[in-house]
Amino acid sequence: DTAVSQTPKYLVTQMGNDKSIKCEQNLGHDTMYWYKQDSKKFLKIMFSYNNKELIINETVPNRFSPKSPDKAHLNLHINSLELGDSAVYFCASSPSGTRIYNEQFFGPGTRLTVL
Amino acid sequence: DQQVKQNSPSLSVQEGRISILNCDYTNSMFDYFLWYKKYPAEGPTFLISISSIKDKNEDGRFTVFLNKSAKHLSLHIVPSQPGDSAVYFCAASAGSGTYKYIFGTGTRLKVLA
Repeated sequence: DTAVSQTPKYLVTQMGNDKSIKCEQNLGHDTMYWYKQDSKKFLKIMFSYNNKELIINETVPNRFSPKSPDKAHLNLHINSLELGDSAVYFCASSPSGTRIYNEQFFGPGTRLTVL
Repeated sequence: DQQVKQNSPSLSVQEGRISILNCDYTNSMFDYFLWYKKYPAEGPTFLISISSIKDKNEDGRFTVFLNKSAKHLSLHIVPSQPGDSAVYFCAASAGSGTYKYIFGTGTRLKVLA
């Protein structure tokens, strides 16, 4: 199936740990994103990569580090996890190039719980 | 500062009737708007979009209306079906080629059979 996939779907961990979330898309898109949906349901963009280059970097603690090894993958590594990092993290991708405005295709989300 | 607002957290509608979901924005630079639909435990899926050069866009049962002077858009679903029960997010962006979208907090629609 063509899709945006994320692993793991659920992640429960202790404060202070380091964890990674992986994202892969096989839609052939050039741009990938990480969003955070907090307890108030705000869906906020964190990062975006276009052709493996960082193009959007919102005000996110530097404990969060995205890594794009290739156009199809965008992983999110989080150091020294805090309680406030508990949220659902969504990966997304969109095409670019000839299209001006591009709707985004989202993964199923990773629910991170920090204890 | 929430630039995109969906002031109704939930809405219930009878099957077959019209569902109207509203979205307000504050940034006059926004020129492209999208609606997404989200089922539980899934990511949002794109539904319909509208550019600021239009005031209406229609796709089957879904129509989006844009009132630029009021900085308001709405999504109409007619007729509503039980499968439409989901959370609906509006999103906005500014500028051609931008990759940054600002999302509202969503409205949970429940269509009653």
